[in-house]
Amino acid sequence: DAGITQSPRHKVTETGTPVTLRCHQTENHRYMYWYRQDPGHGLRLIHYSYGVKDTDKGEVSDGYSVSRSKTEDFLLTLESATSSQTSVYFCATSGDTITDTQYFGPGTRLTVL
Amino acid sequence: GNSVTQMEGPVTLSEEAFLTINCTYTATGYPSLFWYVQYPGEGLQLLLKATKADDKGSNKGFEATYRKETTSFHLEKGSVQVSDSAVYFCALGGNTGTASKLTFGTGTRLQVTL
Repeated sequence: DAGITQSPRHKVTETGTPVTLRCHQTENHRYMYWYRQDPGHGLRLIHYSYGVKDTDKGEVSDGYSVSRSKTEDFLLTLESATSSQTSVYFCATSGDTITDTQYFGPGTRLTVL
Repeated sequence: GNSVTQMEGPVTLSEEAFLTINCTYTATGYPSLFWYVQYPGEGLQLLLKATKADDKGSNKGFEATYRKETTSFHLEKGSVQVSDSAVYFCALGGNTGTASKLTFGTGTRLQVTL
């Protein structure tokens, strides 16, 4: 398994506050992804990165921003958290676009009150 | 665009029963297909994959065959165990132009009882 950690694992915050989630990998994978998981929707892609300082939007990117200043770290920021952003957030990495295999972190459960 | 449709759960089976979870997809080209499994409180783990038509992915007694003619990738296991209780996700691989991209189904919860 790819060495992927996420922090924090659980967070409760209030509407309107900024929140940053961190993903850290030790596999030197080039590609990193942020997904959210909601009942009835499976996993949906928020943002992804294809290299240091190279990022792009996924299908549900509104209200989220990302940054990647080092290969091993990928940060997801909720600029002003809303209750609709209550979800479980997963980071994933991939070192090879040909096989498309992605490896997932343990997830962060975020509750916005 | 790409999409994946999975059978809705939950699926409840007795131990040693035969399992089938249906998955069909819509895509252009010849995408890779995946099954991921999520155990309670954990992230997703790759269970198996197939990269071209007629390929069979297999792992831990689970199998799935890439059927291009029926656009399907059904997951099967001949004899399930209580430890197989989890949520199973079918996914389709694509490419954004700068990275690979997975499109997931909504997941099927499997519960296996003694």
